[in-house]
This record gives sequence, structure tokens and C-alpha cells, in this order.
Amino acid sequence: GIQVEQSPPDLILQEGANSTLRCNFSDSVNNLQWFHQNPWGQLINLFYIPSGTKQNGRLSATTVATERYSLLYISSSQTTDSGVYFCAVYDRGSTLGRLYFGRGTQLTVWP
Amino acid sequence: NAGVTQTPKFQVLKTGQSMTLQCAQDMNHEYMSWYRQDPGMGLRLIHYSVGAGITDQGEVPNGYNVSRSTTEDFPLRLLSAAPSQTSVYFCASSSDFRGNEQFFGPGTRLTVL
Repeated sequence: GIQVEQSPPDLILQEGANSTLRCNFSDSVNNLQWFHQNPWGQLINLFYIPSGTKQNGRLSATTVATERYSLLYISSSQTTDSGVYFCAVYDRGSTLGRLYFGRGTQLTVWP
Repeated sequence: NAGVTQTPKFQVLKTGQSMTLQCAQDMNHEYMSWYRQDPGMGLRLIHYSVGAGITDQGEVPNGYNVSRSTTEDFPLRLLSAAPSQTSVYFCASSSDFRGNEQFFGPGTRLTVL
């Protein structure tokens, strides 16, 4: 299956700082999603972004499918941004419909 | 829309007991799936369904059973619980299996003693 690598594995920020999370994937994909797993364990959809750039408030994401990577930008971070950020991709050749998840980036934002 | 709902939120079982984790969605999605999340292992696909009456195995199906009698519901059955099934279980749905956006339920945290 597709390999999904996320970096950095851990990130500690002070409130107000900006950050960039990276997701590399090993093969062609036709779906890429970013999720935020909050401290209560819920997986929140952030972006569905197979290619291009999208913005939602303080968050934005860019996927360059031809170069097999995606970036998630968090600006002016807040304590509520803490949690684990997952990148997940859908294998173009798969018939299972499954998402392949990276191991996530654990983000901690201090006040 | 409630989206994807799961019950129960928490469950403790003894080894050998059986139970059913419930999952429902109100988005008229054809594709539904179950994942388990374990530390260091990420999320792994257990079973999936591409429509009512159609189910198939995912990556880690042993010890689990599913059925899909309606578009809305996709229950996951643990036949004889084992400590190795201690995990967080997520149900997900999508309009189809071809790569459209997937939505996840809130999860069920299961402990098997």
C-alpha cells in the first residue's frame, strides 16, 4: 500500500506562532485529507485537497500531487489547535476505498 | 444532519464476550467502513461496504463481523472479544469508494479485560 510520512512528529509552540506540517506520500493519489484529532479523540475534517490550495480561517493547505506532498499551515496558533494532525490519502489503484493514514504530528500550543 | 454517529462511546468487555458497535449516517452515503486506531499503528481498515447488502474485508478483519441491511447502518460485531481488540474504533462514510471526502464518527473506546 501507499506509504504516508508526516513531519515533524512533535511540535511545541507558543500561542500566536505559525507552523507548517508536511505530508509526503509514495504513490499517485486522487484524494488527500487533513484531519485534526482533538484531545477528546474526535477526528475533525480540516481539508479535502487532492491538489491545489485551500484556506479556512487561520488554516490553509496546499497539495502538489505531481511531487507527492501536502503542507498544512497554521497561523496565529491557539491552545485549541492542540492535538494530533493526520494526513490521509486514497490510493488511486485501490478498490477498498480505504484511506492510508500517516502517523500524525502531535501539536501542543502553550498559552 | 447528524453526520456519522456511533454508540456506545465507551465499553468494557470481558474476554470471550460478544457485542455490537453501532454506526449510522444520515448523508445517504453508499460507502461505509470501520477502522481501529492503536498507538504506533495508526488507523487500520477492518471491514467496508460499498452499498446495502455488500460488505468485504479490509486489512485486519479477523474477529469481527459486519452486515449492511440498510444504507444508513453499518454495525460491527465482535464475536468473542480478546484483549488484542482493545482499541478505539471509528466508523467512516463517503458518497462512494472512488476517493470522495470521508467523514468519521466520534469513535468507540473499547477495553477488553
